[in-house]
Amino acid sequence: DVKVTQSSRYLVKRTGEKVFLECVQDMDHENMFWYRQDPGLGLRLIYFSYDVKMKEKGDIPEGYSVSREKKERFSLILESASTNQTSMYLCASSLSAGGAQPQHFGDGTRLSIL
Amino acid sequence: AQSVAQPEDQVNVAEGNPLTVKCTYSVSGNPYLFWYVQYPNRGLQFLLKYITGDNLVKGSYGFEAEFNKSQTSFHLKKPSALVSDSALYFCAVRPSSGTYKYIFGTGTRLKVLA
Repeated sequence: DVKVTQSSRYLVKRTGEKVFLECVQDMDHENMFWYRQDPGLGLRLIYFSYDVKMKEKGDIPEGYSVSREKKERFSLILESASTNQTSMYLCASSLSAGGAQPQHFGDGTRLSIL
Repeated sequence: AQSVAQPEDQVNVAEGNPLTVKCTYSVSGNPYLFWYVQYPNRGLQFLLKYITGDNLVKGSYGFEAEFNKSQTSFHLKKPSALVSDSALYFCAVRPSSGTYKYIFGTGTRLKVLA
């Protein structure tokens, strides 16, 4: 089974801090994604990566950046955390760029910015 | 704009009764369609997908989904609900060309009453 591991389940940070969320997948998947999940809004795509060092903005990239130096690892960076970035963050991976490949999700990081 | 709609925020059903969770989409072409389930404090788990062919797709845990091209719908069904099916369900669509993105609905909370 594919395993997508997010480094922290719960995280509390302060306004203005630089925050790193880490995600690792163990199945050599090409695509990786970062979403945030908020009640009533569903999943909103922040960034995705279709190959090492390749990234594209999703629907809500403002205030975030990403890094993918190795195929298995995709990091989300909050450059200067703000309270409106308090949310559940979900990482996902999928096998290939196109086609009907389902995404595999980590268990999420619940981030609180105080 | 491409979108996915889950018109019901919550669906309540008695244990043993059939259940339906609705999904409609507005995406051009012949997209790929997915259902995911999310249990509390967990990531999303893949249930089933539609690519082409038979309009009734079978998936995990006894769930199935019915594709209707003319109504652009992909409703999730189960003949006999279990209390353990209580969770948050997401419909997702991936256009068959032109993007790596998956488009998610806002989710429907299913509550199965004993």
